[in-house]
Amino acid sequence: KAGVTQTPRYLIKTRGQQVTLSCSPISGHRSVSWYQQTPGQGLQFLFEYFSETQRNKGNFPGRFSGRQFSNSRSEMNVSTLELGDSALYLCASRILLAGGRETQYFGPGTRLLVL
Amino acid sequence: DQQVKQNSPSLSVQEGRISILNCDYTNSMFDYFLWYKKYPAEGPTFLISISSIKDKNEDGRFTVFLNKSAKHLSLHIVPSQPGDSAVYFCAASAGRGSTLGRLYFGRGTQLTVWP
Repeated sequence: KAGVTQTPRYLIKTRGQQVTLSCSPISGHRSVSWYQQTPGQGLQFLFEYFSETQRNKGNFPGRFSGRQFSNSRSEMNVSTLELGDSALYLCASRILLAGGRETQYFGPGTRLLVL
Repeated sequence: DQQVKQNSPSLSVQEGRISILNCDYTNSMFDYFLWYKKYPAEGPTFLISISSIKDKNEDGRFTVFLNKSAKHLSLHIVPSQPGDSAVYFCAASAGRGSTLGRLYFGRGTQLTVWP
């Protein structure tokens, strides 16, 4: 079974631009979560989507948004990029059963550099 | 507010010996815990998990111990191998409430296994 895939793997943008990252979950997984990893803050939760609906949101500004499509693929968008948005953006998928105690499997990440 | 803490940023162990990685948490709502291994420029790879109804879970060379009263868990790797050298993240989630399914991560421990 193929794992979580993320595109692109690397991206360079300039301040003020916007960016869209894509994530395809493991086949059969309907929940997709996004995390940001930076040296200063570690791994931080951005949001989670299930059945095209956002279920959970972390403490990030409104410039960070996402969506999920009917095939469970998800996109994350960051508008008006700032230098501090430079990070590794990770997507994780899980089946999603009652209780939330399933393992989340991560993709390889998208490395975003904002200049 | 760091709800999951890994107080040792690094650990160095000789090949064949036991590696013990520690993790503390503060939120009593957490009831599911996971360990991930991460290499540079890759996404975290799931290693092992434990539910709060257990105090031990084993998978090959990896064993996780949970002490709920102390809000502490540890990962034991026996025997350690050079290929185990990576950053290890502890993560926790709550099975109920508004943060259902969201993973909270520690800052990670860099494990180095030397020959």
